[in-house]
Amino acid sequence: GQNIDQPTEMTATEGAIVQINCTYQTSGFNGLFWYQQHAGEAPTFLSYNVLDGLEEKGRFSSFLSRSKGYSYLLLKELQMKDSASYLCAVNILTGGGNKLTFGTGTQLKVEL
Amino acid sequence: GAVVSQHPSWVICKSGTSVKIECRSLDFQATTMFWYRQFPKQSLMLMATSNEGSKATYEQGVEKDKFLINHASLTLSTLTVTSAHPEDSSFYICSAPQAGRTSSYEQYFGPGTRLTVT
Repeated sequence: GQNIDQPTEMTATEGAIVQINCTYQTSGFNGLFWYQQHAGEAPTFLSYNVLDGLEEKGRFSSFLSRSKGYSYLLLKELQMKDSASYLCAVNILTGGGNKLTFGTGTQLKVEL
Repeated sequence: GAVVSQHPSWVICKSGTSVKIECRSLDFQATTMFWYRQFPKQSLMLMATSNEGSKATYEQGVEKDKFLINHASLTLSTLTVTSAHPEDSSFYICSAPQAGRTSSYEQYFGPGTRLTVT
């Protein structure tokens, strides 16, 4: 079966750096997405990794190691508005096409 | 960027009734759409893949006779929750994949529909 794990909750201070980890055990791996979701809203796209390494985009960076089944999302210069749930999602190629399997989500709380 | 809409954004219905939720891709065509369900403080769970012009593919454990999916056009998929019960109360989100800036598999999510069954 597919298994994707993330920490349930994290707390960090405004202006700091936080790293949210995601480990996965899946078959048919075809890329990994990170999404941000505020309560009651739809997820919004943050990053995508399909090859090993670090992808940087402004205050957000995402890393992937396919051999280790591991990814992390790095958020720098944290702002209060970054308080949200962060979802790791693995794109899986099946006989019926590509589909996303989501991790449990990490609720990040940014404090003053 | 690509926009996906859902209607209604929230709905309250009585137990035993049916509710239809619409998902539309506004500026692109989607031969495939996905339907997710999200319970409070939990992650998104894929319910089914909606395919234009053919039958939907349901995930294990999802009752296809209870959650009816119709993908009648390249821009519209509907999810009908039949004989709804309080345990069906949830946040239902649809998405459609379209070639994004970074991936051919990037999914664009609708704003979600909050269903409450009383």
